[in-house]
Amino acid sequence: AQSVAQPEDQVNVAEGNPLTVKCTYSVSGNPYLFWYVQYPNRGLQFLLKYITGDNLVKGSYGFEAEFNKSQTSFHLKKPSALVSDSALYFCAVRLKDTGRRALTFGSGTRLQVQP
Amino acid sequence: DGGITQSPKYLFRKEGQNVTLSCEQNLNHDAMYWYRQDPGQGLRLIYYSQIVNDFQKGDIAEGYSVSREKKESFPLTVTSAQKNPTAFYLCASSTSGYYNEQFFGPGTRLTVL
Repeated sequence: AQSVAQPEDQVNVAEGNPLTVKCTYSVSGNPYLFWYVQYPNRGLQFLLKYITGDNLVKGSYGFEAEFNKSQTSFHLKKPSALVSDSALYFCAVRLKDTGRRALTFGSGTRLQVQP
Repeated sequence: DGGITQSPKYLFRKEGQNVTLSCEQNLNHDAMYWYRQDPGQGLRLIYYSQIVNDFQKGDIAEGYSVSREKKESFPLTVTSAQKNPTAFYLCASSTSGYYNEQFFGPGTRLTVL
């Protein structure tokens, strides 16, 4: 079975500082990995995805994520946090070689950026 | 929230009632999904459909039903058999490829009175 873990319920960072939101996955095959962001009472917005190739993926709003196969991680990063980045972030995984095309989501990490 | 609409935004249900949540997309996507979001639990898959007139149960399908009679529409019915339906419900759609991202609607918050 595939699963995703987001070990931190909340991450606090000062505006202008770098941020990292952690994600680890557990799958038996090769994964497709995704990051989404959710603002209060809204749907999820796609940030970026890893399919294959370069382990560093760049996405929307200055976010990037690094795929690390040996550590089965896909941490989300941004060099300089903004107050407007404060939101709920979800990591998700889909197996490549399976008929199940739906995503398996982590429990989410709330990012709080302080001015 | 892209080209996906969900209605209503808020829904109140009395115990024993069935209610139907609407999801419509104009993105010409083949696949559509329903997720349930509870605090601290992330999103859990209820049902998904990869093509018209076909759908599969997700991880928490008990107490829910769906139909997919049109490509654009994927309504979810929360039946009286669902014992704890109070949650935020999210509909999503995607193209057929395995690596394509899903687009989400704005959600429906269901509260049981």
